[in-house]
Amino acid sequence: DAKTTQPNSMESNEEEPVHLPCNHSTISGTDYIHWYRQLPSQGPEYVIHGLTSNVNNRMASLAIAEDRKSSTLILHRATLRDAAVYYCILRDVLSPRGGKLIFGQGTELSVKP
Amino acid sequence: GAGVSQSPRYKVTKRGQDVALRCDPISGHVSLYWYRQALGQGPEFLTYFNYEAQQDKSGLPNDRFSAERPEGSISTLTIQRTEQRDSAMYRCASSHQRGGYTFGSGTRLTVV
Repeated sequence: DAKTTQPNSMESNEEEPVHLPCNHSTISGTDYIHWYRQLPSQGPEYVIHGLTSNVNNRMASLAIAEDRKSSTLILHRATLRDAAVYYCILRDVLSPRGGKLIFGQGTELSVKP
Repeated sequence: GAGVSQSPRYKVTKRGQDVALRCDPISGHVSLYWYRQALGQGPEFLTYFNYEAQQDKSGLPNDRFSAERPEGSISTLTIQRTEQRDSAMYRCASSHQRGGYTFGSGTRLTVV
């Protein structure tokens, strides 16, 4: 499984944008980039995913580098409810065993009022 | 149902007993996944199914762990002869085959 590298922790101020980086230099052509987050005492929650183009949804934006070796999850205005562990995961849905998500340690985001 | 339902929410069992954890996925979701999560760690993959077929069980720690999904809907994760090290949060998720996962609230297993 291709690996991702994320900072262990990041801090943000409320109402400010947050850029969460992820490196995935060994990404293959059929790997989708997925982001999940896990709020305290809850299960992981899907945030966004993409393949090559930048993606936007109501929760966040995903910016993918042209060479696809890195990506950035963007929260446009952080709120206290966004404090969570954010996981960047590669998922190759075309490989026979590629359906599963392998979670790393993620980035623990804290948001200060 | 509206979400992924897991039961029981909490299970305390004595060492050596067998336990069965149940997962009821979102209706129509093809894929079902089992994870376990220790405190302060990310979820650890155990096994997953597409329909009733177990696609990958590489994450099951040993042969005391097994899972089934006989009719392609509800799944059961069974742990035989439980040990204290099996204590963890066990999480189930479901998805369309290539879609985002929806996780259940989990079953907190404590082996005493």
